[in-house]
Amino acid sequence: KAGVTQTPRYLIKTRGQQVTLSCSPISGHRSVSWYQQTPGQGLQFLFEYFSETQRNKGNFPGRFSGRQFSNSRSEMNVSTLELGDSALYLCASSRMPNTEAFFGQGTRLTVV
Amino acid sequence: GENVEQHPSTLSVQEGDSAVIKCTYSDSASNYFPWYKQELGKRPQLIIDIRSNVGEKKDQRIAVTLNKTAKHFSLHITETQPEDSAVYFCAASKNDYKLSFGAGTTVTVRA
Repeated sequence: KAGVTQTPRYLIKTRGQQVTLSCSPISGHRSVSWYQQTPGQGLQFLFEYFSETQRNKGNFPGRFSGRQFSNSRSEMNVSTLELGDSALYLCASSRMPNTEAFFGQGTRLTVV
Repeated sequence: GENVEQHPSTLSVQEGDSAVIKCTYSDSASNYFPWYKQELGKRPQLIIDIRSNVGEKKDQRIAVTLNKTAKHFSLHITETQPEDSAVYFCAASKNDYKLSFGAGTTVTVRA
């Protein structure tokens, strides 16, 4: 079956703009989590959605938001982009808690 | 919230030697501890995991140990091979989908 799919793979944006990233989970997975990966910082948890509800949120400013649709696909939005938002954004889906999280290939965002 | 610390940040080993990565966690309620491997330019992938009701788990050359009292867990790779070169992340979770990751260990296996 298809894995976790993220689009687009690469994005270049200017400071102050906004961006929307998309994630399609594995079929049957109702949970989607988002992570920011930067060199030296590892994977920082952004938020997690289950059945269209945000259930967990990490320590990121309100400029970072997301949503989940009825088909479990999720989007992440970052408004008023800053240079420091440049990172690899990964989403992951899981079938159940405390089980393997399957990651997408990520979206590489560069803010100039 | 949960805080996971991972050491060392970089590790260089001779091919055939063993590699050990250690992680500590802060939340005693955490009960699931996976390890992910991320090769250069690729997505993280689960290599092994352990739950709090088990002290040790092994899968071929990879093993993980858990000490709940001390709140630390370790990844052991024996007979390292060049394909083991990657970044390894430990993580902790407690009955939910959120994973708290360590900062990662870059492992280089020298031929």
